[in-house]
Amino acid sequence: LAKTTQPISMDSYEGQEVNITCSHNNIATNDYITWYQQFPSQGPRFIIQGYKTKVTNEVASLFIPADRKSSTLSLPRVSLSDTAVYYCLVGDIQAGTALIFGKGTTLSVSS
Amino acid sequence: DSGVTQTPKHLITATGQRVTLRCSPRSGDLSVYWYQQSLDQGLQFLIQYYNGEERAKGNILERFSAQQFPDLHSELNLSSLELGDSALYFCASSVATGPNSGANVLTFGAGSRLTVL
Repeated sequence: LAKTTQPISMDSYEGQEVNITCSHNNIATNDYITWYQQFPSQGPRFIIQGYKTKVTNEVASLFIPADRKSSTLSLPRVSLSDTAVYYCLVGDIQAGTALIFGKGTTLSVSS
Repeated sequence: DSGVTQTPKHLITATGQRVTLRCSPRSGDLSVYWYQQSLDQGLQFLIQYYNGEERAKGNILERFSAQQFPDLHSELNLSSLELGDSALYFCASSVATGPNSGANVLTFGAGSRLTVL
């Protein structure tokens, strides 16, 4: 049973900032929050990971409130090539529990 | 190249047959995960191995089995194949040990596309 809830789809235009929120009400103390990007017929690719507060890398930012029951992936100035499915994954890789992906959010970027 | 190698890339077979999918994890990674992705579907977790031992199991059919060998490569065996088994099968690997090992960063392979006719 997936532990996360995301919007099924989102639309945006090139140059805009896109924020995708993931709900994970049952997050456990040792769980990390990780976002992946998947293009058609390719394996998912790691984007960003966080435990609390804010994390930023060269491609995205991840905002996690104090209660950690949700997280928001922020993609600045999207381009057509950002059209993909985005998955939020919550879990503890060492715990020996299944790492179950939710249904993901299909982001469509138009010109 | 993610460092996770899956073979074969494509496989076409008939119903009732048996196939084996192979995965070589990224160098240094001890855990291997198998996922199934049917057309326009999400990633369905099948099974995880850590250093040769089964660690977690998802909704893997009884017709499917897997193992991880001493050299850490893994094989997913699919038998008595049905049309509905047609899908992309992904293998992912992770370190799953050491500092900050709760961090669940998976590195995925390119997948094996299975078509059952």
